[in-house]
Amino acid sequence: DAKTTQPTSMDCAEGRAANLPCNHSTISGNEYVYWYRQIHSQGPQYIIHGLKNNETNEMASLIITEDRKSSTLILPHATLRDTAVYYCIATGRDNTGKLIFGQGTTLQVKP
Amino acid sequence: ETGVTQTPRHLVMGMTNKKSLKCEQHLGHNAMYWYKQSAKKPLELMFVYNFKEQTENNSVPSRFSPECPNSSHLFLHLHTLQPEDSALYLCASSQPGTGDGNTIYFGEGSWLTVV
Repeated sequence: DAKTTQPTSMDCAEGRAANLPCNHSTISGNEYVYWYRQIHSQGPQYIIHGLKNNETNEMASLIITEDRKSSTLILPHATLRDTAVYYCIATGRDNTGKLIFGQGTTLQVKP
Repeated sequence: ETGVTQTPRHLVMGMTNKKSLKCEQHLGHNAMYWYKQSAKKPLELMFVYNFKEQTENNSVPSRFSPECPNSSHLFLHLHTLQPEDSALYLCASSQPGTGDGNTIYFGEGSWLTVV
């Protein structure tokens, strides 16, 4: 799996877009970018994943640069309930769930 | 509600006790996992079961003994644990071979305290 680098922490005002960056400069051609988040004291929650095209679902959007060396998770209208640790993981698409979680980014949404 | 249920949510046990953590998934998945999350540490994968067969043991001490009687149930039997084993134990499932093997659904976790 490619190594990913994320900022340790970020703040965002409630109602504004939260943009969480992830660097994965050594990602290989068949590795996807996955995002999970973990709200305090709960199990991690899958958010979104993508290969090279931008992706959007009901939770978030994922923007992957053309060279695939970095990506940004966008929460369009952050709420207090989005306060969590966000994990960016680069791995083969069917790696049978053997995900390696790093330290992630702690996002604090403030009123 | 993620479709993965873990019991108990909280467990306190002595170092000489034997206890078990239980996990059940209602998603029809064929892969199940145990992860461990110690205080201020990243999640660590412990075991992987694929179609009831153990396919990964991430150098976990033998005082942790997993059991997967069928694709929907997973247990983690605990005996002779140490205080440093106190952690959040997370069960998860996914459906390998569909292209979504890495879309993992986690339970709420079992908080274990060893005294």
